[in-house]
Amino acid sequence: ETGVTQTPRHLVMGMTNKKSLKCEQHLGHNAMYWYKQSAKKPLELMFVYNFKEQTENNSVPSRFSPECPNSSHLFLHLHTLQPEDSALYLCASSQGSTLRDEQYFGPGTRLTVT
Amino acid sequence: AQRVTQPEKLLSVFKGAPVELKCNYSYSGSPELFWYVQYSRQRLQLLLRHISRESIKGFTADLNKGETSFHLKKPFAQEEDSAMYYCALREETSGSRLTFGEGTQLTVNP
Repeated sequence: ETGVTQTPRHLVMGMTNKKSLKCEQHLGHNAMYWYKQSAKKPLELMFVYNFKEQTENNSVPSRFSPECPNSSHLFLHLHTLQPEDSALYLCASSQGSTLRDEQYFGPGTRLTVT
Repeated sequence: AQRVTQPEKLLSVFKGAPVELKCNYSYSGSPELFWYVQYSRQRLQLLLRHISRESIKGFTADLNKGETSFHLKKPFAQEEDSAMYYCALREETSGSRLTFGEGTQLTVNP
């Protein structure tokens, strides 16, 4: 599959569970992003990785732990989440992280925390 | 902090009618503005950006720095334009950070 892929597409987890979201991009990009889209709220940037290095953490709680082993893969490790963390989590990538670099989005993972 | 406002959560027009989706921003510098679109069951994708000054699928948007607006317009709406539209802003100094509005759901009725 080309573009940006995300797995799983849907995830239901309890508050004591540990799970991971995976994002993979097949575009040869160097920057990757995690966004959170909650109901009735704007899309919020969570993390930015550029050449595998985290360059931005938008005050995200520590129960969300990102990992970027290489420029093609990005993970979001989840533990002891709260029901309010239920949302659509979108991954994106771009060639670089400059003003003119277009971000390409994945389809998202719909997370429900019970 | 920068902010993007889309005052209309829902907008409904008839096919062939003009459509305008409003976007206002608050930022003191020189931002780059974008419109993203998400069609039903498809991923979020870039529609257009102000620096390109191009028309995509008949849509145009002009950055008005005096009014701090970046409204999206199309003279004759089509049913396939029905989608969720997000306005987004990138600061000149932020590099990668995009700030999104809450989105407007456009429905074009036959």
